[in-house]
Amino acid sequence: NAGVTQTPKFRVLKTGQSMTLLCAQDMNHEYMYWYRQDPGMGLRLIHYSVGEGTTAKGEVPDGYNVSRLKKQNFLLGLESAAPSQTSVYFCASAAVAGGPHTQYFGPGTRLTVL
Amino acid sequence: AQSVAQPEDQVNVAEGNPLTVKCTYSVSGNPYLFWYVQYPNRGLQFLLKYITGDNLVKGSYGFEAEFNKSQTSFHLKKPSALVSDSALYFCAVRVLQGNQGGKLIFGQGTELSVKP
Repeated sequence: NAGVTQTPKFRVLKTGQSMTLLCAQDMNHEYMYWYRQDPGMGLRLIHYSVGEGTTAKGEVPDGYNVSRLKKQNFLLGLESAAPSQTSVYFCASAAVAGGPHTQYFGPGTRLTVL
Repeated sequence: AQSVAQPEDQVNVAEGNPLTVKCTYSVSGNPYLFWYVQYPNRGLQFLLKYITGDNLVKGSYGFEAEFNKSQTSFHLKKPSALVSDSALYFCAVRVLQGNQGGKLIFGQGTELSVKP
């Protein structure tokens, strides 16, 4: 099993450009999450999904959109990138069964917006 | 509101000495608590979790954590530190209200440095 994978690993954008980050998991997990990590701030939840076709806002959703058309994929979109969105983005997934939903993380995408 | 605090930005330990990384939480009800580790340029790796039962939880790589309800703490411990334990450690608590999709609230992280 590959676990949770993220594409791309690195990206540099200019202000105003758009892009989509792809997260894929092969563990048949129902829940998926997008976080951003900034120095000294821990991880902050952007959006999450409790199942195929459903999404919900997290702590810092502004400027981002998401879609979960397939159970194994969770896409994060930036429609018009801003320098404040320079960050490391992590995707995670969790199973419903078996208790308090341990989250498993991807390797991250480092995004720089100039 | 639920929250997690890691009071130390950095912890320095000599190899072979015991280590403790502190975490305190604020929740209403019984908490579900987690520790994750992040090595440089990597994603977070699950170390251990507390759900219920024994207050001492054992996890990966020789780490353990002690749940203390009266002090609302969940400190991470290891009896003998290794240089390879040097990493960023995150404590997290699960959001309990409604169908929150198993959301976690993370502390800001503690950088552990183990010197030879």
